[in-house]
Amino acid sequence: EVQLVESGGGLVQPGGSLRLSCAASGFTFSNYWMHWVRQVPGKGLVWVSRINTDGSTTNYADSVKGRFTISRDNAKNTLYLQMSSLRAEDTAVYYCARNKAAVADYWGQGTLVTVSS
Amino acid sequence: QSALTQPASVSGSPGQSITISCTGSSSDVGGYNYVSWYQQHPGKAPKVMIYEVSNRPSGVSNRFSGSKSGNTASLTISGLQAEDEADYYCTSYSSSNTVLFGGGTKLTVL
Repeated sequence: EVQLVESGGGLVQPGGSLRLSCAASGFTFSNYWMHWVRQVPGKGLVWVSRINTDGSTTNYADSVKGRFTISRDNAKNTLYLQMSSLRAEDTAVYYCARNKAAVADYWGQGTLVTVSS
Repeated sequence: QSALTQPASVSGSPGQSITISCTGSSSDVGGYNYVSWYQQHPGKAPKVMIYEVSNRPSGVSNRFSGSKSGNTASLTISGLQAEDEADYYCTSYSSSNTVLFGGGTKLTVL
């Protein structure tokens, strides 16, 4: 069974940093591109970033470019999102998702990041 | 990176059909056959209902169908059921090597 479990969310002050993790199981993690998508509670889904199978290609939404870094450790079956210079507008539930055939076919349950003083 | 445009809400009675539109540009929806549709119930993770414009994953009811014309994609749900009440999002790959989501459409089953 495919499982994606996010962790690392919490309360952080504006300007602070946080690293999210996404532990994958039930599939060959190294064979799949992966995404991060976020959602402000009560609002819509917003794509954040994606990474290719070996981590050599990454893409970002303009809103996070230069502040967030996506990475992966295929030996640990884990996806990461390093977030820095956090702003109040980064407050959201962050989901990791597996990419297959240009679609996010499996999603985690999300981890909440709150940026507030 | 502008979001794709969806109606904020649609509604229909049980048994009826509804269609949700998703409008982008030639750089995203119109330029690629990589449009997907997701269903999200409150407090739950999104679930893919349609991928590559019109393909249904296994396990998704054939009441759900997708299409595209020019820069606009559409999701049609036929034979509406109470369980279909949810938020629906379209997405598309874009020429800037990013993924765009629509703003979401709240479906109400009357």
